[in-house]
Amino acid sequence: QVQLVQSGAEVKKPGASVKVSCKASGYTFTRYYMDWVRQAPGQGLEWMGIINPNGGSTSYAQKFQGRVAMTGDTSTSTVYMELSSLTSEDTAVYYCARRTNWAFDIWGQGTTVTVSS
Amino acid sequence: QSALTQPPSVSGSPGQSVTISCTGTSSDVGNYNRVSWYQQPPGTAPKLMIYEVSNRPSGVPDRFSGSKSGNTASLTISGLQAEDEADYYCSSYTPSIWVFGGGTKLTVL
Repeated sequence: QVQLVQSGAEVKKPGASVKVSCKASGYTFTRYYMDWVRQAPGQGLEWMGIINPNGGSTSYAQKFQGRVAMTGDTSTSTVYMELSSLTSEDTAVYYCARRTNWAFDIWGQGTTVTVSS
Repeated sequence: QSALTQPPSVSGSPGQSVTISCTGTSSDVGNYNRVSWYQQPPGTAPKLMIYEVSNRPSGVPDRFSGSKSGNTASLTISGLQAEDEADYYCSSYTPSIWVFGGGTKLTVL
């Protein structure tokens, strides 16, 4: 079945970087854009950016420009999201989500990133 | 502050209908039929319920319906069931970015 499986929870210190992976299966990886969305504790959803796995082009929300990098590996059907210069405000659950028909139809299970000294 | 405005909470009894609104601007909701709705029970990932304003993905009950008028989109859930209790988020495309509403907590009384 179609699914996205993300890497496990991370605990980072302020100023560090985190890299979250999202492995796709059950469909042709290069046919769908992949987005990243985060959710701070008790808060709503926040769009971070998108990667086209077919070629690797990206577009990021202005808020994260210069601090986020999304990459893909077609050999393993995996996309990655790296966020640098972490602060406590980056503590959140990070989701990858497949985009189709102008919506996010398949979501990963989420990766909890905790930033704490 | 979220880009799209949703009521913080709504409630209804089993069997009743509820409607959740999602208000944007002429730059997003009002200008594109690219509004989607997501259901998120506590501790789980969001699930797509409606795409392109009013379309249901396979497997979503027809009790869920979507509509739009001007800058406001709406999600209606008819025949409420206990399992519908969750947070609901709207989302809209606006050139080059996606915006979400702040979420609405649906309580089934």
